[in-house]
Amino acid sequence: DVKVTQSSRYLVKRTGEKVFLECVQDMDHENMFWYRQDPGLGLRLIYFSYDVKMKEKGDIPEGYSVSREKKERFSLILESASTNQTSMYLCASSSRTRLLNTEAFFGQGTRLTVV
Amino acid sequence: AQSVTQPDIHITVSEGASLELRCNYSYGATPYLFWYVQSPGQGLQLLLKYFSGDTLVQGIKGFEAEFKRSQSSFNLRKPSVHWSDAAEYFCAVGARPGGSYIPTFGRGTSLIVHP
Repeated sequence: DVKVTQSSRYLVKRTGEKVFLECVQDMDHENMFWYRQDPGLGLRLIYFSYDVKMKEKGDIPEGYSVSREKKERFSLILESASTNQTSMYLCASSSRTRLLNTEAFFGQGTRLTVV
Repeated sequence: AQSVTQPDIHITVSEGASLELRCNYSYGATPYLFWYVQSPGQGLQLLLKYFSGDTLVQGIKGFEAEFKRSQSSFNLRKPSVHWSDAAEYFCAVGARPGGSYIPTFGRGTSLIVHP
């Protein structure tokens, strides 16, 4: 089974802190994604990456950056956390090459609270 | 740009009743379509997907969905709902800029099941 693992289920951080959310997948997937989930808004794409060291902005990249130094790991960085970044963050991965298996596989999510 | 509309924020059904969750998409080419389910506090799990071929697709947990190109719809159905089906359901369309499928999600439909 594909496994996407997010390093923390719950995080509480202070305003202004630099926050790192880590995600690791074990299926050799090329694509990795970070989504933010808020009630009534569904999942919104923050950033995605289709290869090591490659990244593309999603729909709501402001206030976030990402890092992909290894194929299996994709990190989301909040440079200076703010209260409006309190949310559930979901990491996902998918294959770029296996056309019949391009669905995204999700981690369990990290619920981040910024106080 | 692609988009997904799930017109129902909440759906309430009685256990044993049939279920239909609506999904409409907007995408210029042939879409790749997905339904995911999210139980409370969990990540998203794929229920089913449509890529091509038979427009009626079967998924896990007794769910099915029908792709109707003329209506730009991909509605999810189940003939008899179980209490354990209570969850959040997300429809997604996969667009393919540059060769990688990027899922765009609807806002979700919350399913409530009465005993």
